[in-house]
Amino acid sequence: NAGVTQTPKFRILKIGQSMTLQCAQDMNHNYMYWYRQDPGMGLKLIYYSVGAGITDKGEVPNGYNVSRSTTEDFPLRLELAAPSQTSVYFCASRFGTSRDYEQYFGPGTRLTVT
Amino acid sequence: QQQVKQSPQSLIVQKGGIPIINCAYENTAFDYFPWYQQFPGKGPALLIAIRPDVSEKKEGRFTISFNKSAKQFSLHIMDSQPGDSATYFCAASMKGGKSTFGDGTTLTVKP
Repeated sequence: NAGVTQTPKFRILKIGQSMTLQCAQDMNHNYMYWYRQDPGMGLKLIYYSVGAGITDKGEVPNGYNVSRSTTEDFPLRLELAAPSQTSVYFCASRFGTSRDYEQYFGPGTRLTVT
Repeated sequence: QQQVKQSPQSLIVQKGGIPIINCAYENTAFDYFPWYQQFPGKGPALLIAIRPDVSEKKEGRFTISFNKSAKQFSLHIMDSQPGDSATYFCAASMKGGKSTFGDGTTLTVKP
């Protein structure tokens, strides 16, 4: 199993550009998450999904969009990038029915908006 | 309003010391309390977790103490090693999917 994979690893965007951060998991997890991690801060939930076709907002959804057309993939879309979106983005997944809520994280995407 | 408060922000101990990291939560609907360990340039990975129906859980050198009435839980690392130097996050999760993370504690274990 590859686990949770994220692409790209690094990206520099200009203000106003758009991009999609890719996330895929091969563990047949039905729950998937997107977090951002700013320096010295914890993980802030952007969006999450409890299954294909179902998504919901987290703490900091403004400026982002998501879709979940398959169990495996959960892309995060940034429209009109702003410097405030400079951060490290982590995708995570877990089983939804297990008693343990362990989340498995990807390696992250470091995004800089200038 | 931050639902999970973590302290301290940073911690330096000597090898063999016992660092303690504390977290407090507000929402009594949380029913799963994990600790994640993160090394630089990597994603967080689960270290140990506890449910509110037990007061302590131990796995190797790592112990969680849980105080349900005070809505607090803590991580103790016995016989700490330089390889334990990392950032530690507490979190609180509830049925339905959402998790809330603390702001993290950067631990340095000096040889």
